[in-house]
Amino acid sequence: KQEVTQIPAALSVPEGENLVLNCSFTDSAIYNLQWFRQDPGKGLTSLLLIQSSQREQTSGRLNASLDKSSGRSTLYIAASQPGDSATYLCAVRRAGTASKLTFGTGTRLQVTL
Amino acid sequence: EAQVTQNPRYLITVTGKKLTVTCSQNMNHEYMSWYRQDPGLGLRQIYYSMNVEVTDKGDVPEGYKVSRKEKRNFPLILESPSPNQTSLYFCATQEAGTYGYTFGSGTRLTVV
Repeated sequence: KQEVTQIPAALSVPEGENLVLNCSFTDSAIYNLQWFRQDPGKGLTSLLLIQSSQREQTSGRLNASLDKSSGRSTLYIAASQPGDSATYLCAVRRAGTASKLTFGTGTRLQVTL
Repeated sequence: EAQVTQNPRYLITVTGKKLTVTCSQNMNHEYMSWYRQDPGLGLRQIYYSMNVEVTDKGDVPEGYKVSRKEKRNFPLILESPSPNQTSLYFCATQEAGTYGYTFGSGTRLTVV
């Protein structure tokens, strides 16, 4: 059974810092991995999608990497801003299965002034 | 604009009173899913659908029903809601090819 773990569970950083969020998964037979952002009480916004054949994806200040063999992904946020404060979730889709994502429980990020 | 629309956004109901949460998408995606989100448990899949008239159970299907009569709609039905179904519910679609997910804004359900 796939298990997805995100560390740390919560993180507080001052504005301007670069930071890394970690995601690990137990079954490396994945089709893809997706990072989402969730604001309190709101829906999920897709940030980056990495296919299993890719090593990284970039969007603006965000960079996500994938090391499938070791079961790890990182989300790098450059020059953090207060507007980046949210919960960040990673989710994996297992190869060969029908439509299902397995989610981590998230990292709650607070960027302070 | 590509959208997944859920209604209602908020719902308070009483135990045993049947309810339906609607989900509609305008992206012509074949795959649709329902998830529930609970503190400490994360998001868990309830049901999914690979196409019209094709549905299957996810991890926590007990107490729920779904139907997929049209490609764009995927309603979630609670025939007899109970307090343990109090949760935040999300509908999602999946893009063919990349299989990236798009989520709706969520429905916060409280069963008293």
